[in-house]
This record gives sequence, C-alpha cells and structure tokens, in this order.
Amino acid sequence: ETGVTQTPRHLVMGMTNKKSLKCEQHLGHNAMYWYKQSAKKPLELMFVYSLEERVENNSVPSRFSPECPNSSHLFLHLHTLQPEDSALYLCASSQSTSSGATQYFGPGTRLLVL
Amino acid sequence: TQLLEQSPQFLSIQEGENLTVYCNSSSVFSSLQWYRQEPGEGPVLLVTVVTGGEVKKLKRLTFQFGDARKDSSLHITAAQPGDTGLYLCASSNTGKLIFGQGTTLQVKP
Repeated sequence: ETGVTQTPRHLVMGMTNKKSLKCEQHLGHNAMYWYKQSAKKPLELMFVYSLEERVENNSVPSRFSPECPNSSHLFLHLHTLQPEDSALYLCASSQSTSSGATQYFGPGTRLLVL
Repeated sequence: TQLLEQSPQFLSIQEGENLTVYCNSSSVFSSLQWYRQEPGEGPVLLVTVVTGGEVKKLKRLTFQFGDARKDSSLHITAAQPGDTGLYLCASSNTGKLIFGQGTTLQVKP
C-alpha cells in the first residue's frame, strides 16, 4: 500500500460514454498527478496539481478533464474517448512539485474504450 | 525534452542468474530514479541517485550513476522470481518526471 488509492481499478466504456476516475491520497501531500501508461510507450505525464491549482497540462486533449476539489482528491473526467485512449491511468502524489520530491503512485485504473 | 532509453526492453532469465539493465540519455541528468512496477500495481520508487559515480545498494540490487550523469545501470545479483516486473528509470529536471520505456524482467523458477 502506497497511501494512494484509485477507483475503479478496471473500466470499460463506449466512445459516447462519460465516466470519471477517482484518486485519493492519504499522505498529506500537496501535489497530485495524472499519468497515462500505454503499451510500448513510456509513462506520460498528463496533469499536475499543486495546492489544488493546475500547474501543468501536458498537451492533453480536452476529452480528458481533471478536477482537484481538495489536496487529497483528484478526478479525471472522461467523455467521447477514442479506442487509442485505452491505457492504464496512474495517479501519483508528492509533498511538493520540486525536483527532489518523491512521487507515490496508486495502482492505476485499467481503461478499455470500445 | 530529455529522452531516456532503456535496454534491454525484455529480459527472461532463470532464478539465480545475474543481470544488468541500463538507462541512457543524451542529456545530463540532475538526478535519476529507478522504479519497479509489478503487474496490476503502480511504480514503486527503489532509489534516487544524484552524484556522478554514485553507487547505491539495496539488498541484491546495485544502482550506479555514470560519472558524467548521462547514464545509469541496475544490477541484480542472484535474481529471484519475486524480482519479476517492469523496471523504469526516470529523470526529474524541472519537477516533471520523464520516464524511460522500461525493461520487463521475467525470472523463472
């Protein structure tokens, strides 16, 4: 257990569906992240939040919409996704966004878009 | 953008064998991290190396940072089935973690 939980663990959705991924950290951290992990591609940073403010949007399509209501919770709202969006979506948290801060990852949500 | 190249991409060995995996970049790392990711889980940090030439040991795992801070290696002695997983290197230069594509290790009993 890393102190970062994600729900659901598995999700199958159609291209017209709307769904949300949830991440919760129990570590008292101030920064939270969304990453995408696809087969045969390196882990890609999607969004960074620091103290509930978005500080990084790594050229992610608008069909992915993050929300950080407080420092412990992070959501990723999904709508009109494409099959190529199928991947493992990982959430992470760290004490801060500084270079030396260790990031702790959740177990991920395995998403399949049909 | 710094790119990290890991080799080999896949490695399948017998229990008890030794192995080394590599992480290389054309740019200098400010620091480098090694993670292990097991199936169905997120990556877990193993070690951070910061100083050129640094060597860190974690039980049977030995991590080395190149003198020029552009490469790193992970050596596992007497591999065990529990070492099976995806080994990722990552660099953080501006607070963003950039990952290599990983080395998938399978250790057969």
